[in-house]
Amino acid sequence: EPEVTQTPSHQVTQMGQEVILRCVPISNHLYFYWYRQILGQKVEFLVSFYNNEISEKSEIFDDQFSVERPDGSNFTLKIRSTKLEDSAMYFCASGSSGAPGANVLTFGAGSRLTVL
Amino acid sequence: AQSVTQPDIHITVSEGASLELRCNYSYGATPYLFWYVQSPGQGLQLLLKYFSGDTLVQGIKGFEAEFKRSQSSFNLRKPSVHWSDAAEYFCAVVAGEYGNKLVFGAGTILRVKS
Repeated sequence: EPEVTQTPSHQVTQMGQEVILRCVPISNHLYFYWYRQILGQKVEFLVSFYNNEISEKSEIFDDQFSVERPDGSNFTLKIRSTKLEDSAMYFCASGSSGAPGANVLTFGAGSRLTVL
Repeated sequence: AQSVTQPDIHITVSEGASLELRCNYSYGATPYLFWYVQSPGQGLQLLLKYFSGDTLVQGIKGFEAEFKRSQSSFNLRKPSVHWSDAAEYFCAVVAGEYGNKLVFGAGTILRVKS
């Protein structure tokens, strides 16, 4: 069964450092997402991406965050200068359609980011 | 704004017993609803979804859920729980008319005792 692959599974970084989280979505999917889950809290939407541009982003997704699809297979989330509160599990997801009633998102296993 | 409430943070059931996890949503139109499961160290796996049609939907691993518009609920059920079902369960709804931004509930941690 096709799956979404995320790397690294766990990253520890110092506050202020840049972090790039990588995702390989399912190959024929066109819609890509990042969600995050701070320990003990809800899974929260960060950003959606389609046709090489951001289609929607949440209030969390400020100027410190960026997303990119640098080639035909990878989808990355960059945090430019990490803060302690960025510590969370970050989930990548992909979908084949933008229509809410015609699509199911497939999630990756997550990348756990720990900021010290 | 759309929201999802899972009233139970933790639930403990005996192996072989039945299970019901509660989910209430807030949404004006017909919602698109999901249940996901997250096992320790794993990602979010889709159990089942409701888009339209039959209000009782079947999912993987023997789970089912029933959409009740009058109660704004989408409760997850399983007739006989297995120890491997111990995990965290998330109810989610699609937010908005376009796209697939999901709004998640806070999750319910299921413990299974033998």
